[in-house]
Amino acid sequence: DAKTTQPNSMESNEEEPVHLPCNHSTISGTDYIHWYRQLPSQGPEYVIHGLTSNVNNRMASLAIAEDRKSSTLILHRATLRDAAVYYCILRDRRGGWEETSGSRLTFGEGTQLTVNP
Amino acid sequence: DAGITQSPRHKVTETGTPVTLRCHQTENHRYMYWYRQDPGHGLRLIHYSYGVKDTDKGEVSDGYSVSRSKTEDFLLTLESATSSQTSVYFCAISVWSGGSSYEQYFGPGTRLTVT
Repeated sequence: DAKTTQPNSMESNEEEPVHLPCNHSTISGTDYIHWYRQLPSQGPEYVIHGLTSNVNNRMASLAIAEDRKSSTLILHRATLRDAAVYYCILRDRRGGWEETSGSRLTFGEGTQLTVNP
Repeated sequence: DAGITQSPRHKVTETGTPVTLRCHQTENHRYMYWYRQDPGHGLRLIHYSYGVKDTDKGEVSDGYSVSRSKTEDFLLTLESATSSQTSVYFCAISVWSGGSSYEQYFGPGTRLTVT
């Protein structure tokens, strides 16, 4: 799997937007970009994913660079509950591989987001 | 909540004893996974299953075995626990997200301490 690079930590203030960057310069044309987050003492939870176009859902937005070598997870108004480790993960969508592994994820160390009140 | 439970939630055991962790899901999903997470690190895949009696190794499978005799249960066994297996263990399932990819949903975790 192609690797991703994220800052170890970031800090934000409550009710301000947060932009979490991820570099993936070796991304292949068949890689989806997934974001998960892990709140303290919980398992990871899915946030958003995309392939080429920007994506929005109720939790966040995902902005993908035109060359797909980087992406940014955007939290529009950070809350204290958004304090978590955010993981940017690439997942190959090629069909034959998917038959057995389903959605095998390779986690890096992520970005620890601190939200200040 | 994808109906995933793990048991036990906490366990302390001695080196050399066998330990089995259970993951249970209620929605008949095909794919199930076991990860471990050590302090300050991301999750690492131990084993996964793509159907009843169909399992495969992940990146850190040494010292672990798994079994899946029915769709809803995925068991992780440490045949002879060692202190290096002290960790938090997460179970997960994969859910097809309606046309473009799978999403994984995780259980609450089991904190295992081997003394």
